[in-house]
Amino acid sequence: DQQVKQNSPSLSVQEGRISILNCDYTNSMFDYFLWYKKYPAEGPTFLISISSIKDKNEDGRFTVFLNKSAKHLSLHIVPSQPGDSAVYFCAAFTGNQFYFGTGTSLTVIP
Amino acid sequence: DTGVSQNPRHKITKRGQNVTFRCDPISEHNRLYWYRQTLGQGPEFLTYFQNEAQLEKSRLLSDRFSAERPKGSFSTLEIQRTEQGDSAMYLCASSIHGVDGYTFGSGTRLTVV
Repeated sequence: DQQVKQNSPSLSVQEGRISILNCDYTNSMFDYFLWYKKYPAEGPTFLISISSIKDKNEDGRFTVFLNKSAKHLSLHIVPSQPGDSAVYFCAAFTGNQFYFGTGTSLTVIP
Repeated sequence: DTGVSQNPRHKITKRGQNVTFRCDPISEHNRLYWYRQTLGQGPEFLTYFQNEAQLEKSRLLSDRFSAERPKGSFSTLEIQRTEQGDSAMYLCASSIHGVDGYTFGSGTRLTVV
C-alpha cells in the first residue's frame, strides 16, 4: 500500500521558470515531511523539510507547501536551473521510518 | 566526519551466494536504518537499530536477511542464498533521534546474476 504518492514520473521545465513537484499522502499520522534529491548512483540528499505544524517553509530557491486538509505536499523551485535536474523524492515520517514516493524526474532545459 | 559511509558501492554476485554489506553511520548518531530501493520505486524501510538493539523489522526483511549492529557503531546487512529479486540499491541512514540529522549514505548496489 503506497502511503506516499508522486503521480508525475517526470517533468520538464525551461531554465529560469518555476518547477512544481507534487506529492500526496494518505496517513494522517505523518508528522514530518521532506524532499530529497537524488542523482544517479548516489543516495538521496536532503533538500528541504517541513513539520506538520507549518504550511510553508522556504530555503533559497526552494519552497515546500503543506496542505494538511488535502494531504498534499508540493515543492516549488524558482528559478529552475540545469543543475536542478535530478530525481526528487517526497518522504513522510512517522514512528521510526520514512515512507517515500516513487519519485519525479525533473529535467531543466537550458 | 564525512557522513554515512557504505561499502562496497557495487556488488555483483551469483544467485545462491551470500553477500554482506557494511554501513558506518555518523559517529554521534545512535540510530541506524536500512532501506532498499528497487528500480522505479522510492526507498522502502527494512529495519532500524537504536544503539545495538534492533527495534523494528519490516515484513520485507525475509528470513534470508539479517542485520546486526554489534557494538552500536557500524552495521552489517547479510543476505543469504541471494535471488535475482534481491537486486536493488541498499541504503543505510543514521540519525541522532527521530528525524534529527537523518542522513543517507550513497548506497550499495547489488546485482544478482
